[in-house]
Amino acid sequence: SYVLTQPPSVSVAPGKTARITCGGNNIGSKSVHWYQQKPGQAPVLVIYYDSDRPSGIPERFSGSNSGNTATLTISRVEAGDEADYYCQVWDSSSDPPFGGGTKLTVL
Amino acid sequence: EVQLVESGGGLIQPGGSLRLSCAASGFTVSSNYMSWVRQAPGKGLEWVSVIYSGGSTYYADSVKGRFTISRDNSKNTLYLQMNSLRAEDTAVYYCARGPGGYGTFDYWGQGTLVTVSS
Repeated sequence: SYVLTQPPSVSVAPGKTARITCGGNNIGSKSVHWYQQKPGQAPVLVIYYDSDRPSGIPERFSGSNSGNTATLTISRVEAGDEADYYCQVWDSSSDPPFGGGTKLTVL
Repeated sequence: EVQLVESGGGLIQPGGSLRLSCAASGFTVSSNYMSWVRQAPGKGLEWVSVIYSGGSTYYADSVKGRFTISRDNSKNTLYLQMNSLRAEDTAVYYCARGPGGYGTFDYWGQGTLVTVSS
């Protein structure tokens, strides 16, 4: 099965840039999606197809994907961005398709 | 407006059965891929099962042979029949629309908690 590896935690000061990585074998050849989940809430799609934003998601959220690493970048981090973030791919040969999640802490 | 509302969770003894429902509005369940995703307490997201628009179904290895996904087109509702439940099935169960065109889960319900314990 295809494995997605995320760091358990990332910390960043308000106003700075947070980068959350998602590692996978040749992940650059796949479409990567990112979800934000705040405590007690359902996940919300924040980036799809590597770097596209659904309507309503701030431009501060961006994504990239190349080689063996996909990255979610959050610019000008705000306190409200504190959440768990999950990467995901859909590959018929993969089970499960979610990364383990990264807890973003805003200092 | 797209909405997904799960129900049917609760406390169940090991070995028992439970059926979850997910009532959809704002779109047609049968025209979309629909999935169940679960999250054990304090843990990450785990995809459980998908039903394609054509009716094909797929399951995670952890639930294969015990869980069955289905839908009722007349009620625009998705189901998950869970049999032979184990303690490790304890989780919040979310229904989600997807994986869509790019493989995304673009809408999620609020989740329903299933607790398997004696």
